[in-house]
Amino acid sequence: GQQLNQSPQSMFIQEGEDVSMNCTSSSIFNTWLWYKQDPGEGPVLLIALYKAGELTSNGRLTAQFGITRKDSFLNISASIPSDVGIYFCAGLGVSQGGKLIFGQGTELSVKP
Amino acid sequence: SAVISQKPSRDICQRGTSLTIQCQVDSQVTMMFWYRQQPGQSLTLIATANQGSEATYESGFVIDKFPISRPNLTFSTLTVSNMSPEDSSIYLCSVEKGVTGELFFGEGSRLTVL
Repeated sequence: GQQLNQSPQSMFIQEGEDVSMNCTSSSIFNTWLWYKQDPGEGPVLLIALYKAGELTSNGRLTAQFGITRKDSFLNISASIPSDVGIYFCAGLGVSQGGKLIFGQGTELSVKP
Repeated sequence: SAVISQKPSRDICQRGTSLTIQCQVDSQVTMMFWYRQQPGQSLTLIATANQGSEATYESGFVIDKFPISRPNLTFSTLTVSNMSPEDSSIYLCSVEKGVTGELFFGEGSRLTVL
């Protein structure tokens, strides 16, 4: 079935550093969503993107909808310990039958 | 957004038994979804729960194993039947709200099968 390739799989960074992760697909998406999952919790929606080229920020988070509609990235600036968690990208497109497809996740660890 | 409550939040079950997970939403929604998240893995859609009709199951998931109820627009249940250790996962309820395709999730039900 359709898959999203999310990278990196994990990251270990120092507090204060910037972080970047991305998702790519072989098919076109109409919507890109980025979620964060804390241990023992469900995923929480961080940012939603609806148009190719769109750049959206939410505090220290910035995400972009790739111009080809086949990729998206998420940046976190000046990381803090509470940024720790697993970040998932998710895409929605016509070829997926209206169903949201999730990436494999990026596990972020922040060292104080 | 939506406030989604799941019960139980976690449970430890014996092989061969069944467990029903409840999902309550604070507002009426058309589409409710059930996902499975196996340890260290991403989210996999089990089925879409439609009010007033049978649930629609994804490839690899069947109604006998994962029966779903959707009695109204704010509530759904997922039953994991005849459990085995391979069913140990987090089961997540989600609803679609917002402009296009935005899914909101409950806190999940962590199931351990011994």
